[in-house]
Amino acid sequence: DAGITQSPRHKVTETGTPVTLRCHQTENHRYMYWYRQDPGHGLRLIHYSYGVKDTDKGEVSDGYSVSRSKTEDFLLTLESATSSQTSVYFCAVTREVNTGELFFGEGSRLTVL
Amino acid sequence: SQQGEEDPQALSIQEGENATMNCSYKTSINNLQWYRQNSGRGLVHLILIRSNEREKHSGRLRVTLDTSKKSSSLLITASRAADTASYFCAPSGAGSYQLTFGKGTKLSVIP
Repeated sequence: DAGITQSPRHKVTETGTPVTLRCHQTENHRYMYWYRQDPGHGLRLIHYSYGVKDTDKGEVSDGYSVSRSKTEDFLLTLESATSSQTSVYFCAVTREVNTGELFFGEGSRLTVL
Repeated sequence: SQQGEEDPQALSIQEGENATMNCSYKTSINNLQWYRQNSGRGLVHLILIRSNEREKHSGRLRVTLDTSKKSSSLLITASRAADTASYFCAPSGAGSYQLTFGKGTKLSVIP
């Protein structure tokens, strides 16, 4: 598989605190993505990366920032968490560049109180 | 990127029956992919059909694509309880690496 590890898998935090989610991959994939999944909304793209230091916004990027200083790590940061950011966050990589096929991590469940 | 819309939103069938779910999209595509998500897990790629294909099979899965109607269907034959999951379609345009997902079809297979 694409060897994706998300950490932490579960986190409870308070409104206003910073939170960083990490996505680590072991197979040198170029494209990486962060999605959030909420009931009634499906999966929505937050940010994506097409290489080291190359990132761009998705459809729901407000309140989130990302960084990719190494090929293997894609970090998602909530600078000041809000209750509306309570969600399950999924990292994904493009496993097959020719088709755009994605491989997903197991998700990080974030609760903001 | 464009989003597919799955229909129905929920489907409940008996074990052994066939399950059909549909996907509609709005603009031209390079391929269309189907994913499954078991409860609490990440999405798993099931099958991909290219724009120049009309039908594709993989085990108990059959996918059709009608580009004139901008629609696709996923058929799961002889369903099993383990098929209980949410299913998502993801249309992919040429040169686009971003996939956008709809709300999915939640399939429940009753033993």
